[in-house]
Amino acid sequence: DGGITQSPKYLFRKEGQNVTLSCEQNLNHDAMYWYRQDPGQGLRLIYYSQIVNDFQKGDIAEGYSVSREKKESFPLTVTSAQKNPTAFYLCASSLTHLELSTDTQYFGPGTRLTVL
Amino acid sequence: AQSVTQPDIHITVSEGASLELRCNYSYGATPYLFWYVQSPGQGLQLLLKYFSGDTLVQGIKGFEAEFKRSQSSFNLRKPSVHWSDAAEYFCAVFHTGGNKLTFGTGTQLKVEL
Repeated sequence: DGGITQSPKYLFRKEGQNVTLSCEQNLNHDAMYWYRQDPGQGLRLIYYSQIVNDFQKGDIAEGYSVSREKKESFPLTVTSAQKNPTAFYLCASSLTHLELSTDTQYFGPGTRLTVL
Repeated sequence: AQSVTQPDIHITVSEGASLELRCNYSYGATPYLFWYVQSPGQGLQLLLKYFSGDTLVQGIKGFEAEFKRSQSSFNLRKPSVHWSDAAEYFCAVFHTGGNKLTFGTGTQLKVEL
């Protein structure tokens, strides 16, 4: 089955600890994205990657870091610098991320992070 | 700046009744518009999208949406709602300049049996 997997589904961490969320896709998509979802605020873009070894900041990148060492993987690290990390995190991918591309973004099932 | 407004935070309809979810966008050029649905604790599933051409777009699960440039709207409709349609619905606009999707804040749909 082709798709996007995120693990774990639920994650609990103590305040001040860094935590890494996994996102893997087997769709052979070039572009991958991380969104944060909070109640009543829709989805906000954290980081995106157009191609391996390249990534760009989104609208709310502060306190987060990413890497894109492999095409199929785009892990997100929530650092201790993120002031309010408790949220639902969604990973997505699309075939390309060209300037004029209108490729559809496909979403993973999400990870709910709770910082205690 | 590009933006998407979903004016209704919550909507309740009876099963079998018709549904219309509103979406207004602000974008300078021709917009590329999407509707996604999210079940509780799940990711987003694409319902339909509009890029160009016919302004009435058909999607999955019996949904359709109409693009009205004069009203800057892209409302989602379904003639007869099923209990399984209860979910949160998001409208989004893709803008090529920023090369990203901008989402609305969502409309939570409740279906009464």
